Amino acid sequence: NAGVTQTPKFRILKIGQSMTLQCTQDMNHNYMYWYRQDPGMGLKLIYYSVGAGITDKGEVPNGYNVSRSTTEDFPLRLELAAPSQTSVYFCASSLPDSDRAISKENYGYTFGSGTRLTVV
Amino acid sequence: AQKITQTQPGMFVQEKEAVTLDCTYDTSDPSYGLFWYKQPSSGEMIFLIYQGSYDQQNATEGRYSLNFQKARKSANLVISASQLGDSAMYFCAMREPYSGGYNKLIFGAGTRLAVHP
Repeated sequence: NAGVTQTPKFRILKIGQSMTLQCTQDMNHNYMYWYRQDPGMGLKLIYYSVGAGITDKGEVPNGYNVSRSTTEDFPLRLELAAPSQTSVYFCASSLPDSDRAISKENYGYTFGSGTRLTVV
Repeated sequence: AQKITQTQPGMFVQEKEAVTLDCTYDTSDPSYGLFWYKQPSSGEMIFLIYQGSYDQQNATEGRYSLNFQKARKSANLVISASQLGDSAMYFCAMREPYSGGYNKLIFGAGTRLAVHP
């Protein structure tokens, strides 16, 4: 019963480097999301996916890319890291609305434990 | 556009007292969902309570209750009998309505609650 697993938990990048944040879920959730949380702020949506092969931009997509080749995995790619990307990144998954109405556990949303990224 | 507003950056409460954390929202869609999450210093997001826009009664989960005033578009979180372990950041969030939004969550800026002994 792992839920949503994010790796790594911490990472320091140099400006211009690239990396991939991994996210995997074992609940067979169709919907997956990537959020970023800047210090003292709420979460902002970067990208989301409603199923394998389908992704779309959220509120703050610039500087990131995603892919969804399987239901379980939703990696987030940072190209040419910049200090402005210093943040905590959360991956989440959810059920479609029709199933969420039935599931009372978290009302369908499950968050990973986060990845703290520092770009120097 | 949908929006969540939390006007209290920080709140203090005495242990065993009740506290209300404010949240207002803005949407023109009649179908939506409201969430409260707790984020302790360890950083994980912990689900607390959910209110659907069509729910007739205010949601309650143990010491947490949601004061839902639909006409005023407010969804305040009430924590009764505060405990030291309630010290954390609290986020109000709204599930975007069905209309093409793919059920994304929109978050407020959060309120930091400190419980004093």
